[in-house]
Parts: sequence; structure tokens; C-alpha cells
Amino acid sequence: AQSVTQPDIHITVSEGASLELRCNYSYGATPYLFWYVQSPGQGLQLLLKYFSGDTLVQGIKGFEAEFKRSQSSFNLRKPSVHWSDAAEYFCAVGDNDYKLSFGAGTTVTVRA
Amino acid sequence: DTAVSQTPKYLVTQMGNDKSIKCEQNLGHDTMYWYKQDSKKFLKIMFSYNNKELIINETVPNRFSPKSPDKAHLNLHINSLELGDSAVYFCASSQSEADTQYFGPGTRLTVL
Repeated sequence: AQSVTQPDIHITVSEGASLELRCNYSYGATPYLFWYVQSPGQGLQLLLKYFSGDTLVQGIKGFEAEFKRSQSSFNLRKPSVHWSDAAEYFCAVGDNDYKLSFGAGTTVTVRA
Repeated sequence: DTAVSQTPKYLVTQMGNDKSIKCEQNLGHDTMYWYKQDSKKFLKIMFSYNNKELIINETVPNRFSPKSPDKAHLNLHINSLELGDSAVYFCASSQSEADTQYFGPGTRLTVL
């Protein structure tokens, strides 16, 4: 069975600074990888996904993620954060059996 | 137009009651899901239906019974509610296996 680890429970970053959220996965085959964002009191919104091809994936809101098979990682980055990026971020891995397994999430706080 | 909608948004009820949460998607997707997000924001899949057939049942107590009257709807009925059922329940849908899942806004269930 697949699993996802997000090592950072909480990250605080200054507005305008860069952000990197770590995600490590465990899955025997080629993974389908996702990053979702959940704003307070809201549902989950897809930021980006990786199925195959180019390992650097561009998403919405200026986010990107890089798939590194050798490190079993799919880290999310943003060059310059905005106060509206404060939210909970979830990394997820999907398999061919319709299952999506989520990490525990990383809370991002943006300070002025 | 709302892609995945859930009703109600909030549900407060007493222990022992029976309640239902409804989900509808207008994306034309074949697969629908129910997830539970606990107080620590951990997301776990509960059920998945593909074309009205149950394909994932993740060791959920049989007090929880999903019902899919058609491809666009997946409802969740919960009998004999317990305190531990308090959580946010998310519905999602996707076109096919390993495809992007689109989430509803969530239903916050509080059992008193």
C-alpha cells in the first residue's frame, strides 16, 4: 500500500519569501502525485499533479513541484509567498485502484 | 456552477441519531468518493463508487452506508451516531482511476 510523509507539521514564512514544502512517498509502481491546498473552513483545491513526463510540474497560484524518483519525493515550491497562501497543504499519492492516500498536511503561516 | 456540492454544510446532532449527507457532482465523472477528515486534519478515504458500484470500502464501521442512486450522486447515511464520528466529511469525484479528484466543500458533523 502506498503512503505519504510530510515531515513538516508547521512552517512559518515571511511574505515575499520563498516556500518549500516537503513530501516523501512510498509506492511500488509509478506514482500519481498531487498537491492540494485547504484554506480555513474550505474544501480541498488541486494545486498541481504529476502523472508522467516532465518531472517539474507547474500549478496554479505560482506553485511548482518536482518529482524525484531517486529520492521518492515530490516537493512543492513557490518563489514568493503572498499572505493568501496561508493554508493547509496536503500531498497525496494515487494508485490504479482508485485510492488516494494523503499525508498529514503542513500548515503554512505567512507573517507580514 | 458548483462542480461537487454537499449538503448540509454543517450538521449538529445527538448521539444515537441517524443522519445523511448528500453529494452531487455535475462533472460527468464515473467515480465518487467519501473521505473523513479528523480533528488533526488527517484525511482518510472511506468509500469509493464507480458507476454506482462500490469499489473501495476502507474498514469503515457498518453504521456507515453509502448509497449511489446514479452516477452523479453519492450519499452517506450514518446510523447510531457516536462522538467519534465528529469530523469533516468530504465528497470527491474523478473521471477514472488515478485521475484528479475534485473535492466538495465538506460537511462538518458534530455529534453531542
